[in-house]
Amino acid sequence: AQSVTQLDSQVPVFEEAPVELRCNYSSSVSVYLFWYVQYPNQGLQLLLKYLSGSTLVKGINGFEAEFNKSQTSFHLRKPSVHISDTAEYFCAVSHMFSGGYNKLIFGAGTRLAVHP
Amino acid sequence: DAGITQSPRHKVTETGTPVTLRCHQTENHRYMYWYRQDPGHGLRLIHYSYGVKDTDKGEVSDGYSVSRSKTEDFLLTLESATSSQTSVYFCAISDPDRGREQFFGPGTRLTVL
Repeated sequence: AQSVTQLDSQVPVFEEAPVELRCNYSSSVSVYLFWYVQYPNQGLQLLLKYLSGSTLVKGINGFEAEFNKSQTSFHLRKPSVHISDTAEYFCAVSHMFSGGYNKLIFGAGTRLAVHP
Repeated sequence: DAGITQSPRHKVTETGTPVTLRCHQTENHRYMYWYRQDPGHGLRLIHYSYGVKDTDKGEVSDGYSVSRSKTEDFLLTLESATSSQTSVYFCAISDPDRGREQFFGPGTRLTVL
């Protein structure tokens, strides 16, 4: 069975500092990996995705993530955060079933708090 | 939000009453999903639909039913609401011909007293 573990429930960081949000997954089959961001009182917005190819994936708002198959990790990074990055971040793993049904399993989320 | 609306956006109801939440999309995506979001649990799948009148259960389907009579609309019904169903509900859409990601609506905050 697939599962996703986000290792930190909260990450406080000062503005302009680098940040890493950690995500580990378990799956016995090929996976597709996603990071979503949720701003207060909003829905989830796709930050970036790994489907295949290069293990370093770049997304919106200056975020990037690295897929590491041997460590079953997909950590999210940003070299310099802004106050506006304060939000909750969700890692998700997907398995595509026959017929096109795309099952997403989410981690519990990491709340990033950027302080001035 | 990729042309996805949810109604109502907020609802307060009492235990034992029926509640219906609506998801409407203008993207003509084949798949539609209902999730609930609770602190510490991320998002959990309630039900999904893979076409008009074609639906299936997710991991937390007890106490919920769904219907999809048109491509653009997916309804979630709580036949008899309980306090444990207080949550934020999100609708999502996807289409295998247009990628593997899901796109999410703005959510409905439901409080069952």
